[in-house]
Amino acid sequence: DAGVTQSPTHLIKTRGQQVTLRCSPKSGHDTVSWYQQALGQGPQFIFQYYEEEERQRGNFPDRFSGHQFPNYSSELNVNALLLGDSALYLCASGKAGGLDQPQHFGDGTRLSIL
Amino acid sequence: AQKVTQAQTEISVVEKEDVTLDCVYETRDTTYYLFWYKQPPSGELVFLIRRNSFDEQNEISGRYSWNFQKSTSSFNFTITASQVVDSAVYFCALSEYLDQTGANNLFFGTGTRLTVIP
Repeated sequence: DAGVTQSPTHLIKTRGQQVTLRCSPKSGHDTVSWYQQALGQGPQFIFQYYEEEERQRGNFPDRFSGHQFPNYSSELNVNALLLGDSALYLCASGKAGGLDQPQHFGDGTRLSIL
Repeated sequence: AQKVTQAQTEISVVEKEDVTLDCVYETRDTTYYLFWYKQPPSGELVFLIRRNSFDEQNEISGRYSWNFQKSTSSFNFTITASQVVDSAVYFCALSEYLDQTGANNLFFGTGTRLTVIP
């Protein structure tokens, strides 16, 4: 049973560029959340997708956008990259209605901005 | 507003010692969940334990145990007989009831780096 998978593993971009990160949820899960983890910090919630809609959003600018596809996979897009966007981006999947169920995380995509 | 505080930045213990990781949280909701996650160097967050706000019973699961006290808003996590493989960053997280989708977003603390010395 495959867990949460993310691609790519590592990515290097320059300021002003745009990036797309991808996530496939664990089998049986239908929600996807994205988190940003800066070096030495805890993960911070970006947004959550369910039924192909953005349901919740953290304190992130509109440069951060996403999408969820009918197969529940998701993309995170970041435009006009800044040096401060350098971080580990974690995807987590869960089951809607499963309040007592923990989210499962992928290994993350490490994004470096030069 | 929600907040999770892990005051211990780094802890080092010698193998086989017990270690307790502290977590203090703030929330205005009466329904919430608390979690502990482990993050090894590979980066993946691994779920360890969870507790809901209505269940203050403390439990032991193998070498892990936790102490949840609503009166002090604390959710401490103990590893007994620590092993080198326990070396990782440990995160405490808070989740509040959002809506019927049920997939909560998590508020994380800044983490505690645990080093177990052989």
